[in-house]
Amino acid sequence: GIQVEQSPPDLILQEGANSTLRCNFSDSVNNLQWFHQNPWGQLINLFYIPSGTKQNGRLSATTVATERYSLLYISSSQTTDSGVYFCAVPSFGNEKLTFGTGTRLTIIP
Amino acid sequence: DAGITQSPRHKVTETGTPVTLRCHQTENHRYMYWYRQDPGHGLRLIHYSYGVKDTDKGEVSDGYSVSRSKTEDFLLTLESATSSQTSVYFCAITGGPLSGYTFGSGTRLTVV
Repeated sequence: GIQVEQSPPDLILQEGANSTLRCNFSDSVNNLQWFHQNPWGQLINLFYIPSGTKQNGRLSATTVATERYSLLYISSSQTTDSGVYFCAVPSFGNEKLTFGTGTRLTIIP
Repeated sequence: DAGITQSPRHKVTETGTPVTLRCHQTENHRYMYWYRQDPGHGLRLIHYSYGVKDTDKGEVSDGYSVSRSKTEDFLLTLESATSSQTSVYFCAITGGPLSGYTFGSGTRLTVV
């Protein structure tokens, strides 16, 4: 099946800093999603981004499908950005998402 | 927020007992999924459904069964719970393979 790798595994930043999270995948895809799991465990869909760039407030994401990677940018980090960020891509006919192991982001006040 | 609810939110059960978790949606989405989340393993797919009475296995389906008798409900059953099934279980829905997923709030299951 498709392999999904995320880096870095852990990231600790001061409030106000910018960060870039990376997701590499082993096969071509036409569906990539980014999720944020907050410290209370809730999973929130941030972006559906099979290709190109999208922005939502301080967050933006870029997927370069031909090179099999996606980047999530967080600018001017806030403590509420803390949590684990997952990327996910489909396998086996696009009906099921395979998740990466995540990047744990900690924002220090 | 999307209309997806999981019940119960927390459950403690004894080894060997059957357990059923419920996922209910009000979005009329075709696709529903059950994932489990464990430290060091991320989110792994247990079973999924692509329509009423249409289900298939995911990567960690052993020991689990599912049923979907109507669009809005997807049930996950542990036939005989084991300690290795202690986990957080998430349900997800989507309107199609090329659409975003929406997750429920999760069920924390402890098997003692």
